Amino acid sequence: GAVVSQHPSWVICKSGTSVKIECRSLDFQATTMFWYRQFPKQSLMLMATSNEGSKATYEQGVEKDKFLINHASLTLSTLTVTSAHPEDSSFYICSAPRGGVKNIQYFGAGTRLSVL
Amino acid sequence: AQKITQTQPGMFVQEKEAVTLDCTYDTSDQSYGLFWYKQPSSGEMIFLIYQGSYDEQNATEGRYSLNFQKARKSANLVISASQLGDSAMYFCAMREGWERDFNKFYFGSGTKLNVKP
Repeated sequence: GAVVSQHPSWVICKSGTSVKIECRSLDFQATTMFWYRQFPKQSLMLMATSNEGSKATYEQGVEKDKFLINHASLTLSTLTVTSAHPEDSSFYICSAPRGGVKNIQYFGAGTRLSVL
Repeated sequence: AQKITQTQPGMFVQEKEAVTLDCTYDTSDQSYGLFWYKQPSSGEMIFLIYQGSYDEQNATEGRYSLNFQKARKSANLVISASQLGDSAMYFCAMREGWERDFNKFYFGSGTKLNVKP
């Protein structure tokens, strides 16, 4: 079964509104989570690394004020797309490394955001 | 230079046959991990197989095996006895350095596999 839960799976919003996406690790603690953006038929683009109890680390070119990340607990990270515009429409997906020798990243099911 | 290169944008394979998806990587680290993920049209990323840089044997997970050639810096995924449900995008990924939570992954551009009945 899924080890990382992401909600909502699909959201449609009006331009100018904010949208919050949740990412939860279900049976393990994750001090780090990752947020990706994926355009159709393209690879995953890392947006930011979410760190529990501290500020997120954003990749170059990603607007910190546009994509707010909060990692408030060891099992929950949220991504808020603020004042969303049509160009923010995309597939957003989170992941969490489970630790251990392999430290595999497990992914949420993703969120399809459509901004009208 | 790209960290992960997948040179096959699309592949076709006949059902029940084997198929190899290519992946080459670039790193100067001695310790790294290589991963393959499957992404069906639903969008979820499904972990398939892992190979550590110090692993001497090729990794296997059911019908999936990883052909690891360290000197060539290649980590090809082999799917045996293809099934219709194997039709999906496949991504190769690498994590550099020791196994730390904050070590990010580098992903290739993906290969779209179509299994023909």
